[in-house]
Amino acid sequence: NAGVTQTPKFRILKIGQSMTLQCAQDMNHNYMYWYRQDPGMGLKLIYYSVGAGITDKGEVPNGYNVSRSTTEDFPLRLELAAPSQTSVYFCASNDRALNYGYTFGSGTRLTVV
Amino acid sequence: DAKTTQPTSMDCAEGRAANLPCNHSTISGNEYVYWYRQIHSQGPQYIIHGLKNNETNEMASLIITEDRKSSTLILPHATLRDTAVYYCIVRGANDYKLSFGAGTTVTVRA
Repeated sequence: NAGVTQTPKFRILKIGQSMTLQCAQDMNHNYMYWYRQDPGMGLKLIYYSVGAGITDKGEVPNGYNVSRSTTEDFPLRLELAAPSQTSVYFCASNDRALNYGYTFGSGTRLTVV
Repeated sequence: DAKTTQPTSMDCAEGRAANLPCNHSTISGNEYVYWYRQIHSQGPQYIIHGLKNNETNEMASLIITEDRKSSTLILPHATLRDTAVYYCIVRGANDYKLSFGAGTTVTVRA
């Protein structure tokens, strides 16, 4: 089991560029989440999904889009990168039926210049 | 979600027990207490969770007061690798989302 895999690990974007952060899990979890963490702060929920084809907004969705076409993958799209989106992005998943904790990926560190 | 209150930081001696307090005075009957930790630059790691009974696993013990308004995470024999930010989170059984606060920065010293 690889768990939750995020790519890339690091990326530098110029203002206005776009990119997709990839997240894949191999645990057959229905629930997946995207969080961002600014320096010295806690994690804030961007978007989440309770299953393929179903997504919903979290606390800070502006400037981001997601899709969930398969159980395994939950990509996060930044369309017009802004300096305020400089952050570390974490993807997570869980199987609510088991009421276990989330499994997090190792994160993507994004800098927008 | 009920809000939680944790100390900003605490130190612990290596080999000793670390007791991390958390207040959640507005917790409701169907809300669980979860603990996660985040070692520098890594993704958060699940530690333990409980509803009202005390819980123990290979990582830690969770003690929840009888009125459920507070809890304590116990790391029985702290090591240098336990240095991390520890988050206490309250979440309803039917709530998908975890809300992270600032947590407690725990530093284990040799």
